[in-house]
Amino acid sequence: DIQLTQSPSFLSASVGDRVTITCRASQGISSYLAWYQQKPGKAPKLLIYAASTLQSGVPSRFSGSGSGTEFTLTISSLQPEDFATYYCQQLNSYPQGFTFGPGTKVDIK
Amino acid sequence: EVQLVESGGVVVQPGGSLRLSCAASGFTFDDYAMHWVRQAPGKGLEWVSLISWDGGSTYYADSVKGRFTISRDNSKNSLYLQMNSLRAEDTALYYCAKETRTSIALGYWGQGTLVTVSS
Repeated sequence: DIQLTQSPSFLSASVGDRVTITCRASQGISSYLAWYQQKPGKAPKLLIYAASTLQSGVPSRFSGSGSGTEFTLTISSLQPEDFATYYCQQLNSYPQGFTFGPGTKVDIK
Repeated sequence: EVQLVESGGVVVQPGGSLRLSCAASGFTFDDYAMHWVRQAPGKGLEWVSLISWDGGSTYYADSVKGRFTISRDNSKNSLYLQMNSLRAEDTALYYCAKETRTSIALGYWGQGTLVTVSS
């Protein structure tokens, strides 16, 4: 089974900061990676799929990169509404197994 | 507008059974595979199960294989999750989710229904 790790698990940042979250896969997954944002009490929201493709309606300050085993989600200028938990998800094992990473909580400094 | 509305979550005793439902609208239901994803209180996301557009293929996480059954009724635009032999560790908010037109990533989610397994 493919395992995902995320770093950091917790991040404290200020509005306007550039933020980078890393997701690492236990084996190569090509570009079969998605990123989600989840706010408290809400369902997850798809931000990026295929490692770097921005989902429709998602602000351009979000970007994704990487392939193989290492991926990053970058928020170029953190906004108040971006404080949330971010999850990566591997889709390489489709249709059997859609592993999520453990999450990165982005909090206000 | 895509809408996914889950229902059926209750408090159930260990070893008990429960069926969750997800009512879908705003898209052609039988064009898409559908998923269940769960989230234990204060924890991360766990993919649970997937069913193909026609119900002909189903897939499960190891943690629920043999205990949970996913199904769908395309005539009713509905997705189901039959949960048997429930355990305390199955306590979670259960979301149904839909792939996007352009990706197998989960672009649409319901609000979730809470299942609590407790005596």
